[in-house]
Amino acid sequence: DGGITQSPKYLFRKEGQNVTLSCEQNLNHDAMYWYRQDPGQGLRLIYYSQIVNDFQKGDIAEGYSVSREKKESFPLTVTSAQKNPTAFYLCASSIEYFANEQFFGPGTRLTVL
Amino acid sequence: AQSVTQPDIHITVSEGASLELRCNYSYGATPYLFWYVQSPGQGLQLLLKYFSGDTLVQGIKGFEAEFKRSQSSFNLRKPSVHWSDAAEYFCAVRSSGGYQKVTFGTGTKLQVIP
Repeated sequence: DGGITQSPKYLFRKEGQNVTLSCEQNLNHDAMYWYRQDPGQGLRLIYYSQIVNDFQKGDIAEGYSVSREKKESFPLTVTSAQKNPTAFYLCASSIEYFANEQFFGPGTRLTVL
Repeated sequence: AQSVTQPDIHITVSEGASLELRCNYSYGATPYLFWYVQSPGQGLQLLLKYFSGDTLVQGIKGFEAEFKRSQSSFNLRKPSVHWSDAAEYFCAVRSSGGYQKVTFGTGTKLQVIP
């Protein structure tokens, strides 16, 4: 079955540590996205990638970094510069940049202690 | 800039009752509109979308939504709610002109009581 996988589902880190969240898709989609979800705030776009080896900042990119070395993979690193990293992180993909439908992964809940 | 408002943070309905979740958008031209559903601790699933044509859109799981340009609304409806419909629902908007990002509303959490 095609889809998006995110790992791990739950992640705990100490303050000041960098952490990388995995996102893999086998839908052959060109575009991939990372969103952050906080209670009562909906989804906010962190980074997006239209194609391999290309990515752009979204609305809240500070304290985050990404790479897109392979079409299938779009890992997100939450750095120690992110002031409030505890959140639910969602990865998504679409056939092309913000095409008619985005497909979402199951999410990773990051808790920084 | 486009924006989406979901005025109801939380709604409680009885199983078997009808449901309407409100969504208002702000955008200068005809937007693309979406409704997504999120079960607790899960990702989002597309329920339905409107791009053009018939303003009443049918989706999965028995949901429908109606685009009303005069009211800048895209409300989600279901005639009879099931306990499994308990989830959070997100309305989203995207520009119809060229490739633009999707803007999500803040969500409405639906509770279904027996």
